[in-house]
Amino acid sequence: DVKVTQSSRYLVKRTGEKVFLECVQDMDHENMFWYRQDPGLGLRLIYFSYDVKMKEKGDIPEGYSVSREKKERFSLILESASTNQTSMYLCASRTQPSGANVLTFGAGSRLTVL
Amino acid sequence: ELKVEQNPLFLSMQEGKNYTIYCNYSTTSDRLYWYRQDPGKSLESLFVLLSNGAVKQEGRLMASLDTKARLSTLHITAAVHDLSATYFCAVDTSNFGNEKLTFGTGTRLTIIP
Repeated sequence: DVKVTQSSRYLVKRTGEKVFLECVQDMDHENMFWYRQDPGLGLRLIYFSYDVKMKEKGDIPEGYSVSREKKERFSLILESASTNQTSMYLCASRTQPSGANVLTFGAGSRLTVL
Repeated sequence: ELKVEQNPLFLSMQEGKNYTIYCNYSTTSDRLYWYRQDPGKSLESLFVLLSNGAVKQEGRLMASLDTKARLSTLHITAAVHDLSATYFCAVDTSNFGNEKLTFGTGTRLTIIP
């Protein structure tokens, strides 16, 4: 089975801190995604990457950046955390779409910014 | 901007009853996915619908896709308690040749004994 591992399940940070959320997948997938999940809003795409060193903005990239230096690792960075970034963050990966290529999700990282 | 709307957002139903969750989307796509999320857990894939008229069934769940109407449905037959979860649809759209998945708001389903 594909494994998508997010390094932290729960984080508590203070406003203004820099936050790193790490995601690693073990199946050589090209595409990786970062979503945030908020009640009533579903999952919203922050950034995605279709290959090493490639990145694309999703629907809500403001206040975030990403890094993909290696194929298996996709990091989400909050340069200066704010309270409105308190959320559940979900990482996912998949192969290049051709037919039915579903996303495999990590367990999620719940971030609280005080 | 692509919009993916699900309704209802919340659904409480009795065991044994039938119901349908609707997923409407605002742009052309012929790939639609359904996911399930249990409380405190991450998302798991349920169905992939790849063409107009596609129908997939597993157990008491059946999903269908009408690309002309830009509508997918998830039908629950004779609901049982362990179907209680949040269900998401997601639409695949191309962004300069690299597809991204846009999710709906989710439908939280509660099955009452």
